[in-house]
Amino acid sequence: DIQMTQSPSTLSASVGDRVTITCRASQSISSWLAWYQQKPGKAPKLLIYKASNLESGVPSRFSGSGSGTEFTLTISSLQPDDFATYYCQRYNSYSAFGQGTKLEIK
Amino acid sequence: QVQLVESGGGVVQPGRSLRLSCAASEFTLSNYAIHWVRQAPGKGLEWVAVISYDGSNKYFADSVKGRFTVSRDNSKNRVYLQLNSLRAEDTALYYCARDPSLTGDYYMDVWGKGTTVTVSS
Repeated sequence: DIQMTQSPSTLSASVGDRVTITCRASQSISSWLAWYQQKPGKAPKLLIYKASNLESGVPSRFSGSGSGTEFTLTISSLQPDDFATYYCQRYNSYSAFGQGTKLEIK
Repeated sequence: QVQLVESGGGVVQPGRSLRLSCAASEFTLSNYAIHWVRQAPGKGLEWVAVISYDGSNKYFADSVKGRFTVSRDNSKNRVYLQLNSLRAEDTALYYCARDPSLTGDYYMDVWGKGTTVTVSS
């Protein structure tokens, strides 16, 4: 099975900061990667699909990049609503999630 | 409003069974594959299973293979997850989620709010 590893597990940042979360696959997954945001007590929300495609309605401060085994989710200027946990997901051959990155207020 | 609604969760003893249901509204379920994803208390997301748009293809995580089954009734706009031989480690919030492909090898663009399964004696 292809394993997904996110880093860091926890990230402390301030409103207005630019932050980057990394997701690594144990072998190449081309661009078959999605990113989700989850807030406490809520279902996950799709942000990015196929590594870099922004889901409709998602603010443009979110962006994704990468291919093969290394991917990043970048938030260009953190807003108060962005403090949440973020997950990457590989797909196209079964599915698996990364362990999550909790984005906290510094 | 496009949405999925899960039901059927509850408290069950180890070794017993439970059937979860996922109902779709404001879209035609038969045009989509559906995933089940679970989240144990305080833990991350774990993919559990997927069923293709017509039910012809089904795949399961190793952790539930042989114990869980998935089915669908497109005439009722519902997908089901049958949980058998339940274990304490199956305790989680179970989400169903829509996959925009027919085959179920894509991402998840619409999620339900989940239904809680607790396995305890």
